[in-house]
Amino acid sequence: AQTVTQSQPEMSVQEAETVTLSCTYDTSESDYYLFWYKQPPSRQMILVIRQEAYKQQNATENRFSVNFQKAAKSFSLKISDSQLGDAAMYFCAYRSLLGRSNYKLTFGKGTLLTVNP
Amino acid sequence: DVKVTQSSRYLVKRTGEKVFLECVQDMDHENMFWYRQDPGLGLRLIYFSYDVKMKEKGDIPEGYSVSREKKERFSLILESASTNQTSMYLCASSGPGQAHYEQYFGPGTRLTVT
Repeated sequence: AQTVTQSQPEMSVQEAETVTLSCTYDTSESDYYLFWYKQPPSRQMILVIRQEAYKQQNATENRFSVNFQKAAKSFSLKISDSQLGDAAMYFCAYRSLLGRSNYKLTFGKGTLLTVNP
Repeated sequence: DVKVTQSSRYLVKRTGEKVFLECVQDMDHENMFWYRQDPGLGLRLIYFSYDVKMKEKGDIPEGYSVSREKKERFSLILESASTNQTSMYLCASSGPGQAHYEQYFGPGTRLTVT
């Protein structure tokens, strides 16, 4: 079974600065998807960014980018020019492409990001 | 925009009660999911459904059952609620297979069992 580890329960960043959230995962599969989801306080979880394992190029969405290191099984999220609205719980998630498992996501325990003005 | 709604934001039930949590999505998605979210544990999958009347156990199905009689609706049932089922419950949906791999989440139901 796959596991996802987020080693930073909490992080903080000053507004306008850059922060990196860490995620590692364990799998024996060669093809899969990785995601970062954001859950703002009392609001719905939304997708921030996704990465297909077969793609070597790191995904980027505006101020959000990832550093995907397949051999190291590492998938970190970088937030540039942090804004107050970035404050949220961030979850890293893994999706298998095999069999019935390809429907579900395996989540890490989350990193609570605080943005200081 | 995809919309996933859950019947209640907050729910308080007594131990031993039968509890129904309802989830509705409006995007004709094949797949629907129930997760449980607890501090320090992240999200854990309880059950999912890949079609009407089809269901599969997730990682923590004990004490729960589900029902999917219509494509847009997925219900989570606690047959006899216990205090250790106090938690935040999140519903999600996604399209068929790999074509729509994003899961869309509802706002969550915070259930307290006393």
